[in-house]
Amino acid sequence: EVQLLESGGGLVQPGGCLKLSCAASGFTFSSHAMSWVRQPPGKGLEWVSSISGGGGSIYYAESVKGRFTISRDNSKNTLYLQTNSLTVEDTAVYYCARGGQFIYDYDSRSWFDPWGQGTLVTVSS
Amino acid sequence: DIVLTQTPLSLSATPGQPASISCKSGQSLVSSDGRTYLYWYLQKPGQPPQLLLYEVSNRFSGVPVRFSGSGSGTDFTLKISRVEAEDVGIYYCMQSTALHTFGQGTKLEIK
Repeated sequence: EVQLLESGGGLVQPGGCLKLSCAASGFTFSSHAMSWVRQPPGKGLEWVSSISGGGGSIYYAESVKGRFTISRDNSKNTLYLQTNSLTVEDTAVYYCARGGQFIYDYDSRSWFDPWGQGTLVTVSS
Repeated sequence: DIVLTQTPLSLSATPGQPASISCKSGQSLVSSDGRTYLYWYLQKPGQPPQLLLYEVSNRFSGVPVRFSGSGSGTDFTLKISRVEAEDVGIYYCMQSTALHTFGQGTKLEIK
């Protein structure tokens, strides 16, 4: 069974940072692109970032570019999101999701499935 | 960025009756390969989104046949032929033709 389990969320002050993790199992992790999608409380979904299977191709939403860094460790089957310079607008549940089988160049032309259960990041003073 | 606009934003449906949701894109979602990367997700209360339809009209594994999708270019529709109580939640369209964007979501409740 394919499973994704996020961790690392919590309460952080504005300007602070957190590193989110997503542990994957049940599939060949290194063969799949992975993404982060976030959802502010009571609001809709926003794509954050994506990375190819090999890690060499990365994209970010404009809202997080320069502040967030996506990475992966294929030896540990784990996806990461380093979040820096956090603002209250970054408060959200952060989901990781599996993408298509793109190892070298990230190709957005695929679905997200499955999704993890999410980890809540709350930015507040 | 491609903007997706869903209507309505909320929908109250009677069990056994049909329901439909529209998703309009600010630009064509037809990719250079000729395919259209428009997806529909359902987020049930307290759960992550689950994939319903891919590339406009293809039902994902395990999705009931009462869900169908249609459309082309910039206009797309999700239809539920006969709404059931388990269909409650928020429906999102998502495009993956040019990175990824989501519609605002449509909340479906049962009368």
